[in-house]
Amino acid sequence: EADIYQTPRYLVIGTGKKITLECSQTMGHDKMYWYQQDPGMELHLIHYSYGVNSTEKGDLSSESTVSRIRTEHFPLTLESARPSHTSQYLCASSEVVGGSYNSPLHFGNGTRLTVT
Amino acid sequence: RKEVEQDPGPFNVPEGATVAFNCTYSNSASQSFFWYRQDCRKEPKLLMSVYSSGNEDGRFTAQLNRASQYISLLIRDSKLSDSATYLCVVNMRPSNTGKLIFGQGTTLQVKP
Repeated sequence: EADIYQTPRYLVIGTGKKITLECSQTMGHDKMYWYQQDPGMELHLIHYSYGVNSTEKGDLSSESTVSRIRTEHFPLTLESARPSHTSQYLCASSEVVGGSYNSPLHFGNGTRLTVT
Repeated sequence: RKEVEQDPGPFNVPEGATVAFNCTYSNSASQSFFWYRQDCRKEPKLLMSVYSSGNEDGRFTAQLNRASQYISLLIRDSKLSDSATYLCVVNMRPSNTGKLIFGQGTTLQVKP
């Protein structure tokens, strides 16, 4: 079982608030990811990181930002939440095996965000 | 055209049936392929990787067809507990970017 944790599990917040979604993993994985998923829809990659001090934007444009100061921690921040940000946010990590960056992902249990 | 395409279903099958899902991908240089399972309102979990020679894990068999650029998942002797959404996952580059793209998923409902 993967050791990757997300908090909070559920968050309901008003428009304009700044929020940070936490993600931590204890497996020492170099690669970490944030995906966004609306109900019944596919996952969209919004951010990823190859390691400490490395962050890249994913395929879906997002107003969120991320940081990777420590290997185990990959928080996602929304400076000013809007109703359009209402979604499920899933954090994942993977290891680099034999130089391959294409190892399977281990997911956290997600944060369900509702912006009112 | 989407980079990874799946028939969303739902596939409604009786217990004990055999069911197969296909997934097509657009990048002929893709090298890594996976099937994930996602239960309602839960995170995706790795079901199995897909290897070039095909691979089997109990009632589940995965195959890769590079020429036609699709992967398949076969489930034999379906159980009620197999009801879920099955996600096809493909890496989009041959190099070490490691970006994995998810299909929209195929929903399976196994009925008693």
